[in-house]
Amino acid sequence: AQSVTQPDIHITVSEGASLELRCNYSYGATPYLFWYVQSPGQGLQLLLKYFSGDTLVQGIKGFEAEFKRSQSSFNLRKPSVHWSDAAEYFCAVGVPPAGRRALTFGSGTRLQVQP
Amino acid sequence: NAGVTQTPKFQVLKTGQSMTLQCAQDMNHNSMYWYRQDPGMGLRLIYYSASEGTTDKGEVPNGYNVSRLNKREFSLRLESAAPSQTSVYFCASRREGETQYFGPGTRLLVL
Repeated sequence: AQSVTQPDIHITVSEGASLELRCNYSYGATPYLFWYVQSPGQGLQLLLKYFSGDTLVQGIKGFEAEFKRSQSSFNLRKPSVHWSDAAEYFCAVGVPPAGRRALTFGSGTRLQVQP
Repeated sequence: NAGVTQTPKFQVLKTGQSMTLQCAQDMNHNSMYWYRQDPGMGLRLIYYSASEGTTDKGEVPNGYNVSRLNKREFSLRLESAAPSQTSVYFCASRREGETQYFGPGTRLLVL
């Protein structure tokens, strides 16, 4: 079965600094990969996704992520963090091609932004 | 277009009480899902429905039942609530392809 690891439970960065959130997955082939963001008391919003093709994907709010097959990673990056980016971030994988298509989530990384 | 809606937003139950969490989507999606979110554990799949009239168990189905009433609605029922079911519950739906869209969640406290 597939699994997702987000090694960093909590990260604090200064506003304007760059950000990288780590995500590693375990699966025998290339899964579908997602990053979701959850603001306090809110549902999950999709930031970006990777299905195939270009390994660097662009998302909303200035985020990007890079799929690295050799490292089984899909790290999320942003060059300059804004205070409004403070939230919890979840990496998720989906297993193609058929089946229930449910997602397996990591345990999340909480991002705090210092002024 | 409201997307995925969930009711109620918040509920307090006593141990042994029953309740139904409602979920509806207006995106004409075939697949719908119920997840629970607990601190430090991400989201875990409770039940899913690949299409109207079908349901199947996920990772943590014990203590829950579901009904796919029609294409729009997918409800989650707790027959006899337990404190271990205190959680935030999210409903999601999926169009063809892999992207899931989530509702705002229901916070449940079982005393």
